[in-house]
Amino acid sequence: EAGVTQSPTHLIKTRGQQATLRCSPISGHTSVYWYQQALGLGLQFLLWYDEGEERNRGNFPPRFSGRQFPNYSSELNVNALELEDSALYLCASSLAIGQGYGYTFGSGTRLTVV
Amino acid sequence: AQSVTQLGSHVSVSEGALVLLRCNYSSSVPPYLFWYVQYPNQGLQLLLKYTSAATLVKGINGFEAEFKKSETSFHLTKPSAHMSDAAEYFCAVSGDTGFQKLVFGTGTRLLVSP
Repeated sequence: EAGVTQSPTHLIKTRGQQATLRCSPISGHTSVYWYQQALGLGLQFLLWYDEGEERNRGNFPPRFSGRQFPNYSSELNVNALELEDSALYLCASSLAIGQGYGYTFGSGTRLTVV
Repeated sequence: AQSVTQLGSHVSVSEGALVLLRCNYSSSVPPYLFWYVQYPNQGLQLLLKYTSAATLVKGINGFEAEFKKSETSFHLTKPSAHMSDAAEYFCAVSGDTGFQKLVFGTGTRLLVSP
């Protein structure tokens, strides 16, 4: 069974540009979660999508947005990039119900803003 | 609402010594509890989980955790540390009702010295 896949692995952008990060969940998982892991700040919850809908949003500005496609894959967009957006962005997937399953994480996208 | 507190951002042990990583939770409903491990520049990997079955849960790589409701704790232990255990460890909690996301602690970095 394929795990959660994220692309690209690394991304280098210039301040002010836009970044698009992609995530494919495990087959059968309908929920996708995005986290930001900046140096020294732990896991910061960004967004939760399920069945194409945004279910919950963390404390991030609107320039962080995303969507979930009919095949349950997801995209995270970061507009007007700032230097402090440099971080590891982690995607996770789970079954929407039965939270006892926990999350399965991808390996992340390392975003560097210069 | 759920929350997790991990005591100690860094824990240092010698190879062969007992590993004890502390996690206390708060939950308004019976919780599901998880421990994840993160190696450098990788995503999070599930170590073990508690889902209201046995209170002593065994996971991968020789780790185990005990759910103690009276102490609202879910501490992670391993009898003998290996150098390969050096990583960051995250405790997480979710409720067993409704449509709830996992809430993560701030993480504990385990350092293992020879």
